Amino acid sequence: QKEVEQDPGPLSVPEGAIVSLNCTYSNSAFQYFMWYRQYSRKGPELLMYTYSSGNKEDGRFTAQVDKSSKYISLFIRDSQPSDSATYLCAMKRNTGTASKLTFGTGTRLQVTL
Amino acid sequence: NAGVTQTPKFQVLKTGQSMTLQCAQDMNHNSMYWYRQDPGMGLRLIYYSASEGTTDKGEVPNGYNVSRLNKREFSLRLESAAPSQTSVYFCASTRWEGSQETQYFGPGTRLLVL
Repeated sequence: QKEVEQDPGPLSVPEGAIVSLNCTYSNSAFQYFMWYRQYSRKGPELLMYTYSSGNKEDGRFTAQVDKSSKYISLFIRDSQPSDSATYLCAMKRNTGTASKLTFGTGTRLQVTL
Repeated sequence: NAGVTQTPKFQVLKTGQSMTLQCAQDMNHNSMYWYRQDPGMGLRLIYYSASEGTTDKGEVPNGYNVSRLNKREFSLRLESAAPSQTSVYFCASTRWEGSQETQYFGPGTRLLVL
């Protein structure tokens, strides 16, 4: 069983829809949680970074962490065609000089006009 | 400020050939990483370097070697390429802003081993 599970999709939604992307994890040692966005043939870029359980909002994006359920989510409001990308969740055990991230496999999102 | 750069962008190798993937960052970051990305497997850490002069194994180090040449450069070497090493390779470096750590990724190197 993988430490981090993520539905690969693809997920297709119409423009303006609310998108929900999710990851589950098995290791309770994970303390920091991230969402990366990866456009086709590009490197991932950090979208959201959270530490504690609860919600964190940044513009149209909200990251949610539920440590008791070992479940994290990314919500995208008013989705745009430019949001079409693969979204990777990532997590790590602790902070330090070099932190090793564990990534989900990514969910491919397509926002249609 | 170019960020993280990788060369080459694309490479085809025959089984048994060797090559070095180059990575450089101009952001004065201490930590650097090499990942591979395969369909259905996500990003997996090959090697990382916490600081200049140190390197450590990640999740999938077999078949690879690394060199942290200086603070800017971190190279990945395949001594005898195998078809199983066909993948997209990403280099990354880390910036700290307070308690938040951000990994910046390069554009990737696509490697095909025949």
